[in-house]
Order: sequence, then structure tokens, then C-alpha cells
Amino acid sequence: DVKVTQSSRYLVKRTGEKVFLECVQDMDHENMFWYRQDPGLGLRLIYFSYDVKMKEKGDIPEGYSVSREKKERFSLILESASTNQTSMYLCASSRLDRGYGNTIYFGEGSWLTVV
Amino acid sequence: AQKITQTQPGMFVQEKEAVTLDCTYDTSDQSYGLFWYKQPSSGEMIFLIYQGSYDEQNATEGRYSLNFQKARKSANLVISASQLGDSAMYFCAMRGVVTGGGNKLTFGTGTQLKVEL
Repeated sequence: DVKVTQSSRYLVKRTGEKVFLECVQDMDHENMFWYRQDPGLGLRLIYFSYDVKMKEKGDIPEGYSVSREKKERFSLILESASTNQTSMYLCASSRLDRGYGNTIYFGEGSWLTVV
Repeated sequence: AQKITQTQPGMFVQEKEAVTLDCTYDTSDQSYGLFWYKQPSSGEMIFLIYQGSYDEQNATEGRYSLNFQKARKSANLVISASQLGDSAMYFCAMRGVVTGGGNKLTFGTGTQLKVEL
């Protein structure tokens, strides 16, 4: 069964802490994505990557960084967590596609609360 | 840049009726893909339907169909014969190609659908 696994479902962190959210996929996918989901704002793209060591900024990269040292793992890093980063974070992966459709797989989400 | 707009934050529909959820998009890509996902209260993302930009026919999957109007840049989802289990958040998404060959996947703000008896 194909899978995208997010390391933590629920986290509570203090303001100023460094936070790592890990995402691992077992499908040899090139594309990996990090989103945050907030009520009324939908899924907003933070960062994405289509190859090892490659990263591209999404629509809201400020306050975040990412790491992709291995193809199967894409990490989201909050260098200094703030309360406005309290959210649900969703990881996704897919094959590289040139426009003819493929399936996108999602993790279960990580609920982060920053206090 | 690519952008997805869903202008209906919430919709109500009677059971067994059809409902259309609106989605417009903006992109300068020639080749792109459009998706609809359903997210029930459990939080999982469920794939519903896909339309490629070069597909001439509208995509259909069971009770779901995608009304693709390329010139108007719209990709509305039509759900026929609504069921109570269709109550969920629905997201429209677009996948494009970025410089370097990777894919960018952008979502809209979603439409909360409530099916009533």
C-alpha cells in the first residue's frame, strides 16, 4: 500500500523553538510538497521540491525552510516558531508529470500548536 | 504564477439534487492539470477527478463530472444526485510545470458543501 507518512500527528511547541516536521514517501516520487491548511484559506503552498537537494518557494515561504537530502524524505523546518504558525501542515507527493495526469498522495497531516 | 479561485465558501444542496462547485484558474502554462479533491471532517484528502489541459472531453468519474471551459479558464465540479455522504470540503487544484521541470501544485480556498434531507 503506497504511503506518505508524516512523523507527528500532534505537536505542541513553545514560541521561539525550532520545529522539524518530517515527511517520508515510499513511492520513489520526484515531487514533494508542504502545505499549511487554515480555515477559510484552503491549502497554501509553503515549499516544494522535485529532486534531491532542490527546493522551490511556494506562496507563503516566510518563516519556513525545507530540506531534501534523500529522495524519500522532505522536511519542513520552522527556525523559530511563532504563534501565527499554529496550523495543520500537510505533506504530499507525486511522480514528475509533464501534463498528462498522475495521482497525488497526501499524508495524514500534522497539527502544530505554538504557545 | 498560477492561481486557483473558488468563490463559494459554502453551499447547500438537497439530497438527490445536482450541485455545481465553481473553480476558476489563472496560469501562463500551456500544459497543466486540474484536480478536485474532497476532504471530509476526518481530514483525509480524497481524489475525485482530473482534467488535463489538452483533454478535449470533459472528465467524468461516476457521479462527478468536470465542466472544463478552457477559454474561460474554469473547471467547475458537478456532483449529480447528491448524497448525505457528499457533505465535505471540496478543493480545486492545479498542477503546472516550473522552470527546471518540476511540478507546482496549487489549491483553492475550498467550498464547504452541506447536503440536506
